[in-house]
Amino acid sequence: SYELTQPPSVSVSPGQTASIACSGYKLDDKFVSWYQQKPGQSPVLVIYHDNKRPSGIPERFSGSSSRNTATLTISGTQAIDEADYYCQAWDIMTFHVFGTGTRVTVL
Amino acid sequence: EVQLVESGGGLVQPGGSLRLSCEASGFPLNTNNMNWVRQAPGKGLEWLSYISGGGGTIKYADSVKGRFTISRDIAKNSVYLEMNSLRDEDTAVYYCARGHVHNCGGDCYFDYWGQGILLTVSS
Repeated sequence: SYELTQPPSVSVSPGQTASIACSGYKLDDKFVSWYQQKPGQSPVLVIYHDNKRPSGIPERFSGSSSRNTATLTISGTQAIDEADYYCQAWDIMTFHVFGTGTRVTVL
Repeated sequence: EVQLVESGGGLVQPGGSLRLSCEASGFPLNTNNMNWVRQAPGKGLEWLSYISGGGGTIKYADSVKGRFTISRDIAKNSVYLEMNSLRDEDTAVYYCARGHVHNCGGDCYFDYWGQGILLTVSS
């Protein structure tokens, strides 16, 4: 089955850049989406189709993908960005797959 | 405004059954695919099941295949998840999530999520 791997945690200082990696076999052959989930809340889509932002998502959120790794970047990280982040891709055999999740802590 | 509201959760004994409901509003069910996703306590997201906008394509994760059944009622604009032979490890918050297109074809993502409903499987 297809798997997506993320680092368990990322720490960032306010105003700095946070980068969250998502690794999977030939991931650049697939479209990747990213979801933000704050404690006690439902996930929210922040990036789709590798690098597109839904309306209402701040410009500081961006995405990229290359070979086996997709990356979510939060530029000028704010305290309100502290959350869990999940990547997601679609695989013809496994269907929808979520990454293992990364907790972003703003120190 | 798109809204998804789950209901039907609760406490069930191991081996028991339960049906979750997801009432959709703000769009007709036959325009988008619908999914169930769960999250065990302190764990990550796990996709469970998919039904296409036309209802003709249904998919399941291996972890629930043969035990869970997804269905929908267009007249009630609702999606359901019938869960049988429940196990302790099925304890989780269950989310209903809308796919952004009619049928998944490689570029699928979830654009709206419900608030989630808790299922606890315990004796």
